[in-house]
Amino acid sequence: GESVGLHLPTLSVQEGDNSIINCAYSNSASDYFIWYKQESGKGPQFIIDIRSNMDKRQGQRVTVLLNKTVKHLSLQIAATQPGDSAVYFCAENNAGNMLTFGGGTRLMVKP
Amino acid sequence: NAGVTQTPKFQVLKTGQSMTLQCAQDMNHNSMYWYRQDPGMGLRLIYYSASEGTTDKGEVPNGYNVSRLNKREFSLRLESAAPSQTSVYFCASSEQTRSNQPQHFGDGTRLSIL
Repeated sequence: GESVGLHLPTLSVQEGDNSIINCAYSNSASDYFIWYKQESGKGPQFIIDIRSNMDKRQGQRVTVLLNKTVKHLSLQIAATQPGDSAVYFCAENNAGNMLTFGGGTRLMVKP
Repeated sequence: NAGVTQTPKFQVLKTGQSMTLQCAQDMNHNSMYWYRQDPGMGLRLIYYSASEGTTDKGEVPNGYNVSRLNKREFSLRLESAAPSQTSVYFCASSEQTRSNQPQHFGDGTRLSIL
């Protein structure tokens, strides 16, 4: 079946560097994508979303890029901070209008 | 602004016991969802309620029942708990199901079944 997945299960970056977390999706009918951050012991927290009629969207220190040609989604975090350490999930709104979640990437920020 | 509130936060059950997980949202959202999260796996949808008075099965509904008590509250019931139901359960809500709006999550109920 079609699914959302992530290339890297763990990403370790130096504090102050930029982070890039990747996600591949396979459902060409998906028209909405979300990035969530999940800290230990907490629920997923909405970070940023993007609709399929866009290829880039920026928030505060975060940017999401969408490449529909290769079905790829990425989350860029600028000037990564210790508080950014968490698991990051991508999710797609599939043809049934339900969210399908990827398995998650753990971001570790080294001081 | 509490958002989505889940109770209890932790629970240990014996096989065969029953339990209801509670969820309430204060964002006036129409749609509510129950997910389970297991190690190494993404969130999987158990049941959802598109609007008050309706409920539908998700990806993994077996062994669960739900009740949409009113617009604010959506409960998940395990009638006869099994060890395979040991998991972290998350409730979420959104304005609608058929709109490109994010779901907002509670902090989860950690359930262990012995």
